[in-house]
Amino acid sequence: AQSVTQPDIHITVSEGASLELRCNYSYGATPYLFWYVQSPGQGLQLLLKYFSGDTLVQGIKGFEAEFKRSQSSFNLRKPSVHWSDAAEYFCAVGAGGTSYGKLTFGQGTILTVHP
Amino acid sequence: DVKVTQSSRYLVKRTGEKVFLECVQDMDHENMFWYRQDPGLGLRLIYFSYDVKMKEKGDIPEGYSVSREKKERFSLILESASTNQTSMYLCASSLYGQITEAFFGQGTRLTVV
Repeated sequence: AQSVTQPDIHITVSEGASLELRCNYSYGATPYLFWYVQSPGQGLQLLLKYFSGDTLVQGIKGFEAEFKRSQSSFNLRKPSVHWSDAAEYFCAVGAGGTSYGKLTFGQGTILTVHP
Repeated sequence: DVKVTQSSRYLVKRTGEKVFLECVQDMDHENMFWYRQDPGLGLRLIYFSYDVKMKEKGDIPEGYSVSREKKERFSLILESASTNQTSMYLCASSLYGQITEAFFGQGTRLTVV
């Protein structure tokens, strides 16, 4: 069965600083990987996804993520954080075949941005 | 844009009540999902459906059931609400037959008292 671990429950950064949110997954085959963001009181919005090809993927709002098969990781990065990036971030893994698009989510990382 | 709409943003129900959470999507997606979100636990899959009248248990189906009579609508049912079902419930949909992102509703925060 697949699983996702986000080791950092809460991260605090200053506005303008760089950001890296960690995600480790466990899955036997080629994973399909996603990062979602959830602003307070809102649903989840897709930031970016990796299915195949280039291991560095670009997303919305200036985010990027790098797939590293050898480390089973899919870390999310942003070079300069804005106050509006404060939210909760979820990494997720999906399986192909007959999984019907089910996603397995990590525990989430809450990002606080100091002015 | 894909739109997934959950009928209520906030609900307060009493212990033992039968509760219905409704979800409608407008993009003709085959797959629909109900997740439960709790702090520190992320999202956990309760049930999903890949076609009308078809349903499959997710990771935490106990105490819940679902109904999908029409393609665009997926209902989550709490047969007898309990306080440990107080949570945020998120509905999602996606296309069948391929891995693609799921689109989420705004969520329903349910409080059982």
